[in-house]
Amino acid sequence: DGGITQSPKYLFRKEGQNVTLSCEQNLNHDAMYWYRQDPGQGLRLIYYSQIVNDFQKGDIAEGYSVSREKKESFPLTVTSAQKNPTAFYLCASSMGGAYNYGYTFGSGTRLTVV
Amino acid sequence: ILNVEQSPQSLHVQEGDSTNFTCSFPSSNFYALHWYRWETAKSPEALFVMTLNGDEKKKGRISATLNTKEGYSYLYIKGSQPEDSATYLCAFISGYSTLTFGKGTMLLVSP
Repeated sequence: DGGITQSPKYLFRKEGQNVTLSCEQNLNHDAMYWYRQDPGQGLRLIYYSQIVNDFQKGDIAEGYSVSREKKESFPLTVTSAQKNPTAFYLCASSMGGAYNYGYTFGSGTRLTVV
Repeated sequence: ILNVEQSPQSLHVQEGDSTNFTCSFPSSNFYALHWYRWETAKSPEALFVMTLNGDEKKKGRISATLNTKEGYSYLYIKGSQPEDSATYLCAFISGYSTLTFGKGTMLLVSP
């Protein structure tokens, strides 16, 4: 079955360390997205990519970096510059723009900084 | 950053009750409105993508309407069942933005 795989499900990081969250899709979707959820808030967009080797900052990109070297993969690196990284991270993909296509989501990664 | 408001924040109904939620969004330069269902420990699942004023969409007991001129969408659930318990998210996209999500309405349906 096609879908989006996020790994790991839970991640613990020491302060000052970078960590990379994996997101892989086998849906042949062009666009991929990273969202962050904090308690009491809606999903907030970190980065998105509409095509391989190209990506754009979302609303809260500071302290994060991404790459899109393959259509199937869109890893997110949480750097030590991110001041409050503890959160739930969701990856999504869509066939094209959000004008006509719903997003398919992964099951998320919960990151805790210890 | 655009503001998408959902109400109520949470709702507790009995099995068999019908219910509805509201999503409010900016009415200018509208492109699309999405509804998602997010069950606990699962991934959000797309319910509807609505693009035209007056759109009405239906999926089983769930339906949605859209008014782009006044900036709101309603989601209706007829005869709620315990398996409808989930958080329902709406998300809006305009010509100025990417998809912006509301905080969601958490629905609990008791048997």
